[in-house]
Amino acid sequence: GENVEQHPSTLSVQEGDSAVIKCTYSDSASNYFPWYKQELGKGPQLIIDIRSNVGEKKDQRIAVTLNKTAKHFSLHITETQPEDSAVYFCAAIAGKSTFGDGTTLTVKP
Amino acid sequence: DGGITQSPKYLFRKEGQNVTLSCEQNLNHDAMYWYRQDPGQGLRLIYYSQIVNDFQKGDIAEGYSVSREKKESFPLTVTSAQKNPTAFYLCASSMGLPSYEQYFGPGTRLTVT
Repeated sequence: GENVEQHPSTLSVQEGDSAVIKCTYSDSASNYFPWYKQELGKGPQLIIDIRSNVGEKKDQRIAVTLNKTAKHFSLHITETQPEDSAVYFCAAIAGKSTFGDGTTLTVKP
Repeated sequence: DGGITQSPKYLFRKEGQNVTLSCEQNLNHDAMYWYRQDPGQGLRLIYYSQIVNDFQKGDIAEGYSVSREKKESFPLTVTSAQKNPTAFYLCASSMGLPSYEQYFGPGTRLTVT
């Protein structure tokens, strides 16, 4: 089955800096790659997603890149703010959803 | 307001008791899912349903059961056979197959002692 690895597990940045989280997947049949943000005690919220026919997608300060050949995709957050602090999950979808283990992002004011 | 509701937010049970977690959606979504989340780990799929009266096992279905009698509802029963039931349980729904965005509920934290 699908295996998703996410790195790093924790990330601390200064406000205004950029943050990058990377995921690799194993199943070449995966064709949909969402990113979720989860705040403490709440359910995950979709922040951006990308499909396998696209290499990059951007939404204001958030962007996602996909390299299908290398089977990896990344989340980029620019101009980070304290409210960006949360746990971020990537997922790869090939029929079923397989999630990474999450990255705890801390943005220091 | 459209969305997914899970109740209760916190649930406490004694070991050996079955417990049912509620999940309701008014998004008119066909597909619904149950995930388990343990500290420091990602979401693991327990069961999913693509249509009423049909559901499939996920990666960790042992000790759990579900039903899908109505489109809006997908309750999860944690049975006494589940060896480590204490966890955060998340319900989600999507328009169809998983290649659509999944909308998550607020979760239920189950503690079994």
